[in-house]
Amino acid sequence: QSVLTQPPSASGTPGQRVTISCSGSNSNIGSNTVNWYQHLPGTAPKVLIYNNNERPSGAPDRFSGSKSGTSASLAISGLQSDDEADYYCAAWDDSLKGVVFGGGTKLTVL
Amino acid sequence: EVQLVESGGDLVQPGGSLRLSCAASGFTFRNYAINWVRQAPGKGLEWVAYIFSASSIYYAASVKGRFTISRDNAKNSVYLQMNRLRDEDTAVYYCARDLNSNSLFDYWGQGTLVTVSS
Repeated sequence: QSVLTQPPSASGTPGQRVTISCSGSNSNIGSNTVNWYQHLPGTAPKVLIYNNNERPSGAPDRFSGSKSGTSASLAISGLQSDDEADYYCAAWDDSLKGVVFGGGTKLTVL
Repeated sequence: EVQLVESGGDLVQPGGSLRLSCAASGFTFRNYAINWVRQAPGKGLEWVAYIFSASSIYYAASVKGRFTISRDNAKNSVYLQMNRLRDEDTAVYYCARDLNSNSLFDYWGQGTLVTVSS
């Protein structure tokens, strides 16, 4: 059972907009910034969104992040087949004194 | 170019020990914290340990007391000594550079596989 809660799966058709949620508590998302990672099997995870809503250079602007209270979300617009991957939210947890990840959301492009 | 290369993964029996290494290049190593993150077969990412200095170390509850993280700035390397290994420690272990000591891992290695099995 992960400290941060994500839906196990999400799906959409090419061109659609999809949102993935991440729910936490006051000791993690409520107190610290959220980062989102994209992970393709057999490769190293890659940061997509950092500090709740900032994109690193190279990350497409189709990806956006937001945070409100103890929840965060990742939105992907203009869905592409290349977006099929696992997506994870992460945050520092002040009570656990460590990083907590969500359980991951497997995105399928239909 | 920033690079992180893990090594040391192997097949080990339950109760055994293993030492993983993470060799870094392409940046001023001593200025950055390094984390270990693992992924068990069919499971999600799990944070394992963090080190910035000898006095700034954190562990996940699942490995505390069994794993020890350390670094050698002269060798641009981080190590993970894993003792009393359990079946559930089977995973691909990644090392990742920490940009802000707040779960922002901007560079990752390709991972090394640890299999705990009799």
